[in-house]
Amino acid sequence: AIQLTQSPSSLSASVGDRVIISCRASQDISNALAWYQQTPGRGPKLLIYDASSLESGVPSRFSGSGSGTHFTLTITSLQPEDFATYYCQEFDSYPLTFGGGTKVEIK
Amino acid sequence: QVQLVESGGGVVKPGRSLRLSCAASGFTFRSDGMHWVRQAPDKRLEWVAVISYNGNYTYYSDSVRGRFKISRDNSQNTLYLQMNSLRPEDTAVYYCVKDRRGGYGIDPWGQGTLVTVSS
Repeated sequence: AIQLTQSPSSLSASVGDRVIISCRASQDISNALAWYQQTPGRGPKLLIYDASSLESGVPSRFSGSGSGTHFTLTITSLQPEDFATYYCQEFDSYPLTFGGGTKVEIK
Repeated sequence: QVQLVESGGGVVKPGRSLRLSCAASGFTFRSDGMHWVRQAPDKRLEWVAVISYNGNYTYYSDSVRGRFKISRDNSQNTLYLQMNSLRPEDTAVYYCVKDRRGGYGIDPWGQGTLVTVSS
């Protein structure tokens, strides 16, 4: 199975900061990657599909980039509601895998 | 709007069985693939299984293959996960998730149902 390595595992940031989260795949997965946001006690929410396409209704401060083995999720101007845990997921082949998550906390 | 409501979770002893259900509404259920994803307490998300729109294809994670079975009833708009030979490490919140039609992603997610495997 493909392994996804997210970094950092956690970070502290302030409202208004720019945040970048990395996700590296153990092999080339082209653009078969999605990003999710999860807040405590709730199911995840899809933010980005196809590595860089913004899901409908998701604020434009979220963006995804990358292809092959290295991907990034960028949040420009962090808002209070963005403090959450973020996961990447690959869709190259079954079984599908998730990254280990990045917890974004308030500084 | 799309709604997915899981049920069937609970406390079960190791080695026993449990069947989860997911009632779908707000979309054409028979047209979309469906997934089960789980999350152990304070752990990462773990993909469990997928079933094609017509039930002809299923895939499983290595950790559940041979013990769990995903199925669907398109006439009842319901997704199932039959879990046999349960282990303590199967303890998790189980989410029912819809394939995103077009593109790599799955959404929306249900609220989840908690399965606890303990003696």
